[in-house]
Amino acid sequence: DADVTQTPRNRITKTGKRIMLECSQTKGHDRMYWYRQDPGLGLRLIYYSFDVKDINKGEISDGYSVSRQAQAKFSLSLESAIPNQTALYFCATSDVYRAGELFFGEGSRLTVL
Amino acid sequence: GEDVEQSLFLSVREGDSSVINCTYTDSSSTYLYWYKQEPGAGLQLLTYIFSNMDMKQDQRLTVLLNKKDKHLSLRIADTQTGDSAIYFCAGTLYKLSFGAGTTVTVRA
Repeated sequence: DADVTQTPRNRITKTGKRIMLECSQTKGHDRMYWYRQDPGLGLRLIYYSFDVKDINKGEISDGYSVSRQAQAKFSLSLESAIPNQTALYFCATSDVYRAGELFFGEGSRLTVL
Repeated sequence: GEDVEQSLFLSVREGDSSVINCTYTDSSSTYLYWYKQEPGAGLQLLTYIFSNMDMKQDQRLTVLLNKKDKHLSLRIADTQTGDSAIYFCAGTLYKLSFGAGTTVTVRA
């Protein structure tokens, strides 16, 4: 089983719908992250959490919200999806002492029509 | 935060060396990283270099760091078809900032 699991892996939805992407990890890491990947733009940080009670905005948090339900679970929500949120979304985790070594899930491809 | 720039595409012949370049703006990054993304997969850490080092070698990989010019490079010796991927450089102060990624295509 993968250390970082994302669900769903693929999702097609319509403008205005609420979408939740879920992430769970078995690494035992305190730090979790949500990134989106767009061609030519690389990875951009949406939200990050350094522990269960800590939530921080990244560089592109508008239109997104997150919930850290437990150390192992970090979900990303799009309250009202719009077409420019069509992207590949990645969840990642890291250890406190090796913060730059991220472990990524396989990604969730979201298409908003 | 860290701004990281890298060229978008590189085509290399199988068996040749690949060199992927990256420039960054924030000299306070403690570590600088190279990640690899194979098709349909998430990113995986390839190698990293501590900011007080100039060079790090790991089998076919050589990382060079020029702190004066804020330039980082990754050299892959004897490039193979399995090296076809997107390569990201990243720097960290409190959290990682990634470059746009360099798509490396290995041709026969």
